[in-house]
Amino acid sequence: NFMLTQPHSVSESPGKTVTISCTRSSGSIASNYVQWYQQRPGSAPTTVIYEDNQRPSGVPDRFSGSIDSSSNSASLTISGLKTEDEADYYCQSYDSSNGVFGGGTKLTVL
Amino acid sequence: QVTLRESGPALVKPTQTLTLTCTFSGFSLSTSGMCVSWIRQPPGKALEWLARIDWDDDKYYSTSLKTRLTISKDTSKNQVVLTMTNMDPVDTATYYCARTLAFPYYFDYWGQGTLVTVSS
Repeated sequence: NFMLTQPHSVSESPGKTVTISCTRSSGSIASNYVQWYQQRPGSAPTTVIYEDNQRPSGVPDRFSGSIDSSSNSASLTISGLKTEDEADYYCQSYDSSNGVFGGGTKLTVL
Repeated sequence: QVTLRESGPALVKPTQTLTLTCTFSGFSLSTSGMCVSWIRQPPGKALEWLARIDWDDDKYYSTSLKTRLTISKDTSKNQVVLTMTNMDPVDTATYYCARTLAFPYYFDYWGQGTLVTVSS
């Protein structure tokens, strides 16, 4: 089994761009797709990125995902930050048929 | 329109068995590639995947909890049931069910979650 490690928190100002990383502890990040979920306080998670870099319908193109084999990590980038983007973000992948979540990153937009 | 809703007790005592039901609509668990997973989140903590059941009745469990978990489905009722034995206060969490796509294995629709508190 592997782990996904995320920074505990990040902060940025409205209108700026922020990137949240998700580093895989063993095995290649490219071996299994990575998803990203947004969770606002008191709500269930919703998908903002699936299959490394695909956006579900309704998710603005300010959200983008990528993977970097050299650092064995995935990244979620949010541009043109809005106060409504303030939330917890979780990366997720899988190991055989077991789901694996990162520890989550709290994004503060101040 | 896909919806999922979790139901079960809000409070259980230590050592008791927890039974949660996920009732869903908008998809069929007999369709190839469709699955339902359970995921939990202790207060203020991260998401933790627990178990998954597939359209063909294959079942998968978290390595750390597999001895305590059982997942089952009733396709005719559009329900998935999770049981967790020997509950402990550390199992206090919001429990979510989520529709899961077998490939690329992600949780595309979630229920609103149900908070389960373990306390005597």
